[in-house]
Amino acid sequence: QSALTQPASVSGSPGQSITISCTGTSSDLGAYDYVSWYQHPPGKAPKVIIYGVTNRPSGVPDRFSGSKSGNTASLTISGLQAEDEADYYCSSYTSSSSWVFGGGTKVTVL
Amino acid sequence: QVQLVQSGAEVKKPGASVTVSCKTSGYTFGMYKMHWVRQVPGQGLEWMGIIDTSSGSIAYAQNFQDRVTMTRDTSTSTVYMELSSLRSEDTAVYYCARDNRAWSQDYWGQGTLVTVSS
Repeated sequence: QSALTQPASVSGSPGQSITISCTGTSSDLGAYDYVSWYQHPPGKAPKVIIYGVTNRPSGVPDRFSGSKSGNTASLTISGLQAEDEADYYCSSYTSSSSWVFGGGTKVTVL
Repeated sequence: QVQLVQSGAEVKKPGASVTVSCKTSGYTFGMYKMHWVRQVPGQGLEWMGIIDTSSGSIAYAQNFQDRVTMTRDTSTSTVYMELSSLRSEDTAVYYCARDNRAWSQDYWGQGTLVTVSS
């Protein structure tokens, strides 16, 4: 199972919106609405910020939103803040009854 | 509150095996499956497998199925991940992560660094 494809880095200024894409195949992203996004600050454990394509766990700001079209999912961070600087990973359930992660995107707040 | 507390860092020689534990608390152990995920330095997250903490049934990622063994101890609410035939490329931080019953992982352990070096 190949990793999902994410851009290596995305940057934006405080207050701006950024979008991170995550591309898979018809065997993972395209087959299920089981896409998650994780925020992973350096040296800490990952934290789920979106699951089931669009759902935010309790406590996650509504600045984070998710969407999906075909084999591509997206995470949008609106009103970018300095504290949003981290690595972000997408993940999907697959037709092999497994999970696959993306390669990760480093978000830099300029 | 939900807590996943992993065992401490390990240093192993190539060819050896390592076992990482993940002790849980704050919820009903058998109601949630547990994933194992690793991160090799400088690389992304990699899913290793999932164990049903109630039945003990397991699904391993194809990349690891010949070398990984996941088990659980319901009496102590602890899950274990053993990786054998270690090689330098297995140097990574290993995480346990609770399945949230919605095809995602909600709570994560703090991570365990396993270093494989001769």
